[in-house]
Amino acid sequence: GAVVSQHPSWVICKSGTSVKIECRSLDFQATTMFWYRQFPKQSLMLMATSNEGSKATYEQGVEKDKFLINHASLTLSTLTVTSAHPEDSSFYICSAREPRGGSDNFYEQYFGPGTRLTVT
Amino acid sequence: SQQGEEDPQALSIQEGENATMNCSYKTSINNLQWYRQNSGRGLVHLILIRSNEREKHSGRLRVTLDTSKKSSSLLITASRAADTASYFCGAGYALNFGKGTSLLVTP
Repeated sequence: GAVVSQHPSWVICKSGTSVKIECRSLDFQATTMFWYRQFPKQSLMLMATSNEGSKATYEQGVEKDKFLINHASLTLSTLTVTSAHPEDSSFYICSAREPRGGSDNFYEQYFGPGTRLTVT
Repeated sequence: SQQGEEDPQALSIQEGENATMNCSYKTSINNLQWYRQNSGRGLVHLILIRSNEREKHSGRLRVTLDTSKKSSSLLITASRAADTASYFCGAGYALNFGKGTSLLVTP
C-alpha cells in the first residue's frame, strides 16, 4: 500500500510556542489530506480536510486560527499548532487519499504513523 | 461526515480462535474501510470494501458489508497474539471513526 510519513514522531514544547507537523505522501500524489487528533484510549477525531491549493475545511469546534493547515504541494500538508497549551497535548495523525480511479471515485485512505505532542 | 461505530468495545480471545467485530454507519456510502491501530501508533489500512461488494477476503481477514442494514463485519480467523490491537471502520469522504474494538489475543 501507499506510504504516508509524518515528522516529527514526537515533540515536547513549552506552553505558548508553536509547533509544525508535516505530513507527506511518499509514493503518490494526494490532492486531499486529513488531520485527526486522538486522546488516550479515545477514537480519532477529524479536525480538518486539507485540499491542495485551497483553504482547509475545519470540523465544527476546531479553531482554524489555532490549527493552521497548509497544503502547498500534492505531497505535503502541514499542521501548525499555534500558541500551544497543555490541553493541546495529543496524538496527531494525518491521512491521505490515494485515488484508484473509476466512476465511483474509488480510493483508499492511508494514515501516517502519528505525531505525539506534549506541551509543558 | 460519516460515523463508524464499532462493537464490541473490547474482545479477548485465545490464539487460534476467530474474532468478529462489527461496524455500523449512518448514511449511504461508496465504500467502507477497516483499519488496525497498535497502541500509540498510526492506523494501518487493512481492507476496503466497495458498496457493490458483499464480501471480501484478504489473507486471514474477511469483511462483509450489508448496505441495507448499514453494517459491516470484520472476521479475523486463526488469530495470533500479534493481532492484538484496536480495530476501526471508516466510511465516507472524510473518515470519521467510532471508539474502535480493542482486541486482545492471548497465547
